[in-house]
Formats: sequence, structure tokens, C-alpha cells
Amino acid sequence: GDSVTQMEGPVTLSEEAFLTINCTYTATGYPSLFWYVQYPGEGLQLLLKATKADDKGSNKGFEATYRKETTSFHLEKGSVQVSDSAVYFCALTIYSSASKIIFGSGTRLSIRP
Amino acid sequence: EAGVTQFPSHSVIEKGQTVTLRCDPISGHDNLYWYRRVMGKEIKFLLHFVKESKQDESGMPNNRFLAERTGGTYSTLKVQPAELEDSGVYFCATGFYNEQFFGPGTRLTVL
Repeated sequence: GDSVTQMEGPVTLSEEAFLTINCTYTATGYPSLFWYVQYPGEGLQLLLKATKADDKGSNKGFEATYRKETTSFHLEKGSVQVSDSAVYFCALTIYSSASKIIFGSGTRLSIRP
Repeated sequence: EAGVTQFPSHSVIEKGQTVTLRCDPISGHDNLYWYRRVMGKEIKFLLHFVKESKQDESGMPNNRFLAERTGGTYSTLKVQPAELEDSGVYFCATGFYNEQFFGPGTRLTVL
């Protein structure tokens, strides 16, 4: 079945460090790929998305490229800030599957000053 | 524009009791979804409404869970009777297949 696998956390980095959170997927159709973020005490927010192969999603300094050949959608940021501390979820939807979102298990990121 | 709202934000109940969660969607959004995250695991799909009709309820764990969407507006998710393993965060979302807007979630604790 369709699934998302992302690196387990927690991940702890110093401010201004480079961030990569790995995400790979398995899908029977043609998925759209997403990164959602949950900041402390808040709900889920869409961070970025990509709807077809080789698309790059970007927002708030974060980027992820839809790699069909490696079935991956890794999240990167060149210089993290304390305010980036949150839980990050990789996810996919397949239009033919009644539009439900399939999430990875989430990666907790902590940034120390 | 108001976002998706959920009520209550927290609920603590004892095993065997009943709890009803409510979701108010963004105005005009016909699609409404329920998800939950149990014990820090992945967020899992529960069901999908299109207006007042259940489009997909394949994720509902068992018949202790009942979801309704009266008149295609707000939705409720009732758990009766609640069990310990029902503890978690229940999210509601509205929107479309390539962009869903999530509410803040209801944290349910069953003791």
C-alpha cells in the first residue's frame, strides 16, 4: 500500500546549522508530496508541496524536490533558527485514493541557540 | 477568513465514557476530513465527507466511532464508549486533495 517513511527524531541542531530531514515514499499512483509542520501548541500547517516529478517546493527558507527516480522528498534548510523548532511531517496524497493524506511518523526538530 | 476550528481543545474522560468532538470547517469547503495521531505515531486518516455524505470511512477503527456532518456544515466525531487506546490528538481538515487546511486538533486523554 501507499506509505511514507521519514527519518526518526528527535533531531537537535545548533542555530545556523544545515538541516536535512529524509523522506521516502511508496505509491501506486502519481502522488502529490507535502511537508507539514506543527509548531508547539499549534495545529498542522502546510509548509510546502510539489505535485509532479522534479518540482521544487519552497517556503520560509525550506526546500524539497520531488525525486521520482529515488521516490524521495527530502526537506532542507541552509540555516535553521530557534523558531524552526517543531514537528515536521512528510506526506502524500493520490487523487484516485479519495484524497486522504498519508503521513509519515513525524520528526521532532529542536534548535538550540 | 476564519480557519478550521475544533472544540474542545482538550478532553479528559474515563474509560467507558462518551466524548463528542466538533469541527467547524472553512466556509464553503465541501470536503471535510478527520485524522488522529496516537501516542506520537503517524497521523492516520479516519474518514472523509463530501458535504453531508461519507465518501470514505475506511480509516475508522471500529464501531465505537461515529462521525456525522449535519447539513454539510460542521461535523462531529463521537467515541462511545471510550477506551484507553483512543487517547491521542484528533485533527479535522477541510479543502481539496492537494491542499487541506487543518484545525488545531483536540487532545483526548482516556484514563
